[in-house]
Amino acid sequence: DQQVKQNSPSLSVQEGRISILNCDYTNSMFDYFLWYKKYPAEGPTFLISISSIKDKNEDGRFTVFLNKSAKHLSLHIVPSQPGDSAVYFCAAKDSNYQLIWGAGTKLIIKP
Amino acid sequence: EAGVAQSPRYKIIEKRQSVAFWCNPISGHATLYWYQQILGQGPKLLIQFQNNGVVDDSQLPKDRFSAERLKGVDSTLKIQPAKLEDSAVYLCATTPGRANTEAFFGQGTRLTVV
Repeated sequence: DQQVKQNSPSLSVQEGRISILNCDYTNSMFDYFLWYKKYPAEGPTFLISISSIKDKNEDGRFTVFLNKSAKHLSLHIVPSQPGDSAVYFCAAKDSNYQLIWGAGTKLIIKP
Repeated sequence: EAGVAQSPRYKIIEKRQSVAFWCNPISGHATLYWYQQILGQGPKLLIQFQNNGVVDDSQLPKDRFSAERLKGVDSTLKIQPAKLEDSAVYLCATTPGRANTEAFFGQGTRLTVV
C-alpha cells in the first residue's frame, strides 16, 4: 500500500517555464514533507520541506504548496533551468521519524 | 565538510554469493540509515541506527541481510546469500539526530545480481 504517490513518472518542461511536480499521500498523521532531488549516479539531495502547520514554503526558485484537506503537495520550480533536470522524490515523515518515499518524477527541461 | 562515503560504487555478483557494503557517515552524525532503491521506485528503509544501536529493522530481510555499526561510526550492510531481486542501489544516509529529517545521502552502491 503506497502511502506516498507520485503519479507522473516523467515531466517535460520548456526552459524558462514553470515546472509543477505533484505528490499525494494517504496518511493524515504525516506532519512533515520533503522534496529531494537526484541526479544519475548520485544520492538524493535535500531540496525543500514543509511542515503540516504551513501551506506554503518558498526558497528561491522553489516553492512547495501543501493542501492538507486534499492530502496533496506540489513543488513549483520557476523559472525552470537545464540544471533542474533530475528525478524528484517526495517524502513524508511518519510518527517514528521515518521517511516514506514516493516513486519519483523524472523532470526533463528542454532548451 | 566531507559527505557520506560509500563503497564500492558498483558490484556484480552471482546469485547465492555474498556481498558487503560499507558506509562512513558525516562526522558527528548519530543516526544512520540504509535504504534499498529498486529501479523505478523510491528508497525503502532497511535499517536505522542511532549511534551503534538499532532503532528500526522491521523491513530488513533478516534471513539474508545483516547490518552493524560498530562504535557508532562506520556501518556495513551484508547480503548472504544474494538473490536476483536484490539487484538495486543501496543508499546510506545520515542525520545529526533521530528527529532530523533532512538526511545526507551517499552516492550509493549499485548491486547487480546475475
